[in-house]
Amino acid sequence: GENVEQHPSTLSVQEGDSAVIKCTYSDSASNYFPWYKQELGKRPQLIIDIRSNVGEKKDQRIAVTLNKTAKHFSLHITETQPEDSAVYFCAASIRGGGGTSYGKLTFGQGTILTVHP
Amino acid sequence: GAVVSQHPSRVICKSGTSVKIECRSLDFQATTMFWYRQFPKQSLMLMATSNEGSKATYEQGVEKDKFLINHASLTLSTLTVTSAHPEDSSFYICSAARGEAYEQYFGPGTRLTVT
Repeated sequence: GENVEQHPSTLSVQEGDSAVIKCTYSDSASNYFPWYKQELGKRPQLIIDIRSNVGEKKDQRIAVTLNKTAKHFSLHITETQPEDSAVYFCAASIRGGGGTSYGKLTFGQGTILTVHP
Repeated sequence: GAVVSQHPSRVICKSGTSVKIECRSLDFQATTMFWYRQFPKQSLMLMATSNEGSKATYEQGVEKDKFLINHASLTLSTLTVTSAHPEDSSFYICSAARGEAYEQYFGPGTRLTVT
């Protein structure tokens, strides 16, 4: 099955700096890569996602890049703010085509991001 | 749109009893629902995938007789933790997907504490 590795496990930055979180995946069939932000005791919140037919996607201060050949994808947050502090999870999924693996998300281990004012 | 609810949000039960958690898609029909478990300071681990009207598909290592999943309609899936033990204490989160759409919509989670 799919295996997703996420690094670093903790990341501390100063407000205004950039933050980068990296993930690798093992199953070349995975074609959907969402990123989630989770605050303590709450549900994961989708912040950005990318499909395998796209190499990069940006939404204001957040961007995601995907390298299918190397099987890794990264989250980039620019101009970080204290409210960006949370746990971030990457995930990988196979969408389309049916089968027992259809749609299920495999999560990375998570990154605790702390943005210091 | 795409709202998923869970009930209850918190539950405390005694060891040996059973607990049922409901997951509802409020404004869409969920062809597939997923159940995840998250221990403190850990990631979300998929327990099972359920499709309306068919048996759930459990992940390796998840006891299907202990974690009963029923997906009776396109808007409701339930997870029953049978004969709960303290090690089952965790944060249980469901998610729902509609048709071929890529995104999954997560419920707010249920904090289960077994004493």
